Amino acid sequence: DIVLTQSPISLPVTPGESASISCRSSQSLLHSNGHNYLDWYLQQPGKSPQLLIYLGSNRASGVPDRFSGSGSGTDFTLEISRVEAEDVGVYSCMQSLRTPLTFGGGTKLEIK
Amino acid sequence: QVQLQESGPGLVKPSGTLSLTCAVSGDSISTNTWWTWVRQPPGKGLEWIGEIYHSGSAHYNPSFKNRVTISVDKSTNQFSLNLNSMTAADTAVYYCARGFIGTYSREFDYWGQGTLVSVSS
Repeated sequence: DIVLTQSPISLPVTPGESASISCRSSQSLLHSNGHNYLDWYLQQPGKSPQLLIYLGSNRASGVPDRFSGSGSGTDFTLEISRVEAEDVGVYSCMQSLRTPLTFGGGTKLEIK
Repeated sequence: QVQLQESGPGLVKPSGTLSLTCAVSGDSISTNTWWTWVRQPPGKGLEWIGEIYHSGSAHYNPSFKNRVTISVDKSTNQFSLNLNSMTAADTAVYYCARGFIGTYSREFDYWGQGTLVSVSS
């Protein structure tokens, strides 16, 4: 199975500042079609996961441009600029290159 | 608006079988989609259980060791999860999700609200 390792586990952020979350894969997620099969999800407290970023860097519909994804191969980053109170929750990366699909362990963003 | 709604028992006895159904509205289950089950044990991360296409083709997570079956019912626009030989380790919130197949990949763009299943005698 492809293992995804996220860091940090916990991320306290002051409102208005930026935040960065890392996701490292045990195998390259770069497909021969040129796309990286890595998505980012946010699970707000008490809610279901919601898609933020797909194929490494594409924002899902309705996601603010404060959220951006980057990286290729085995190293990926989710950047959140101008953090707001509504951004709190657990951020998880997920690979869909191969089954079984796997998720990272999650990063809990909290407001200072 | 696409909506997914899980239904099923909140409590299952050890060694018993869990049966959950996901009702899909606002979309046909016969679209180009992998209909998926994901679970989240208390305080832990997300775990992919498996997926099914409307043709009946399915993929499962090998970690479930042949305990899992996912089926689809086009007449009722629903898909279901069966997980047998349940243990306390299977206590989790179970989500159904729509894995829409875009140009290059599946994206989980709609999720059910989740249902907590506890395993206890």
